[in-house]
Amino acid sequence: AAGVIQSPRHLIKEKRETATLKCYPIPRHDTVYWYQQGPGQDPQFLISFYEKMQSDKGSIPDRFSAQQFSDYHSELNMSSLELGDSALYFCASSSPSVGTGELFFGEGSRLTVL
Amino acid sequence: DQQVKQNSPSLSVQEGRISILNCDYTNSMFDYFLWYKKYPAEGPTFLISISSIKDKNEDGRFTVFLNKSAKHLSLHIVPSQPGDSAVYFCAASDRYGGSQGNLIFGKGTKLSVKP
Repeated sequence: AAGVIQSPRHLIKEKRETATLKCYPIPRHDTVYWYQQGPGQDPQFLISFYEKMQSDKGSIPDRFSAQQFSDYHSELNMSSLELGDSALYFCASSSPSVGTGELFFGEGSRLTVL
Repeated sequence: DQQVKQNSPSLSVQEGRISILNCDYTNSMFDYFLWYKKYPAEGPTFLISISSIKDKNEDGRFTVFLNKSAKHLSLHIVPSQPGDSAVYFCAASDRYGGSQGNLIFGKGTKLSVKP
């Protein structure tokens, strides 16, 4: 079965650079979530989108922005990168009309800021 | 302030025995609880969930118990198998409230099942 696809899997950037992460949800899933997991930390909710509109916002820094496109894929844009942005970024998707609405996670994109 | 707490960072169990992973929460608006399992280099995978209208949900070797008055839930794995060794995350949401389904995670408990 198709899963959530994230790209790139690994990304190395320097401070003050910009990075973009992409997420392709499971087909027919209309909601996308972004989570950030720092070393030894629990996944922290950043932002979510439902039907291409922002549906909820968590601890996403102002330097970050995200959007969901017409094909339901989502991109997380991170600017003015800081060392503390080094983390594993998970995307998840769900559909209220499918199953019990649990989130299905991708394998994550590991961002390293040098 | 951590709304979902997993106070045991690690747990070691012998194969065939019961594993009990605990989770406490502080937000009384949470009405949906899930357990996710995570292997290294993979994303969390859904294991089992429970709605706040229930106090128990069972799926094969996995049972989740919910005690709303104590704001506590636990995951029981019986019998434990070496392949169960992973990090287990407890997560909660106020699914029918304003959170639109986003999950609040605990810090995880690393389960090691020894042969």
